[in-house]
Amino acid sequence: RKEVEQDPGPFNVPEGATVAFNCTYSNSASQSFFWYRQDCRKEPKLLMSVYSSGNEDGRFTAQLNRASQYISLLIRDSKLSDSATYLCVVNDDYKLSFGAGTTVTVRA
Amino acid sequence: ETGVTQTPRHLVMGMTNKKSLKCEQHLGHNAMYWYKQSAKKPLELMFVYSLEERVENNSVPSRFSPECPNSSHLFLHLHTLQPEDSALYLCASSQDLNEQFFGPGTRLTVL
Repeated sequence: RKEVEQDPGPFNVPEGATVAFNCTYSNSASQSFFWYRQDCRKEPKLLMSVYSSGNEDGRFTAQLNRASQYISLLIRDSKLSDSATYLCVVNDDYKLSFGAGTTVTVRA
Repeated sequence: ETGVTQTPRHLVMGMTNKKSLKCEQHLGHNAMYWYKQSAKKPLELMFVYSLEERVENNSVPSRFSPECPNSSHLFLHLHTLQPEDSALYLCASSQDLNEQFFGPGTRLTVL
């Protein structure tokens, strides 16, 4: 079983729509969680950390479900600039395990 | 953004060449990392340096040799690479092994 699994997508959504996707992880002892965003041929950039109580940053909401071992990302009011690959990242001590990414394409 | 810089940005080398990738971080972090990203695959952690000591060597072939002379600089020395080593090589840094910040990467092609 892969350490971190994501639906690769693509999720094709119209501007203004809401899109949400999950990521599952295998190590129940994982300590911290992140969503990174990666644009085509660019480096990953930290989008947001995921806290146990859930957290929101503008149009982005992240949730953690430790019992079921998944994290989620919801994007409201999608913008064209949200088109990217979203990487789920799980931290076990110093080792970050990356999912293969979920591709989101927002169309006009 | 110039927090983590990498040079060169693109590199083409033959299998018999020796080359080095350079990474520099300007964030005052105490940990640095090398990752490999191949097409359609997750990032693969190669090496981790914390306080200039290597703490992780993720079963990387010996044709990749890292060097961390100080907390701001990280090198990846390459020799006798194979075509399957062609990939994007990303450097990252963090404070106390927490959230990592990535450089722009070196896109390596091995002929």
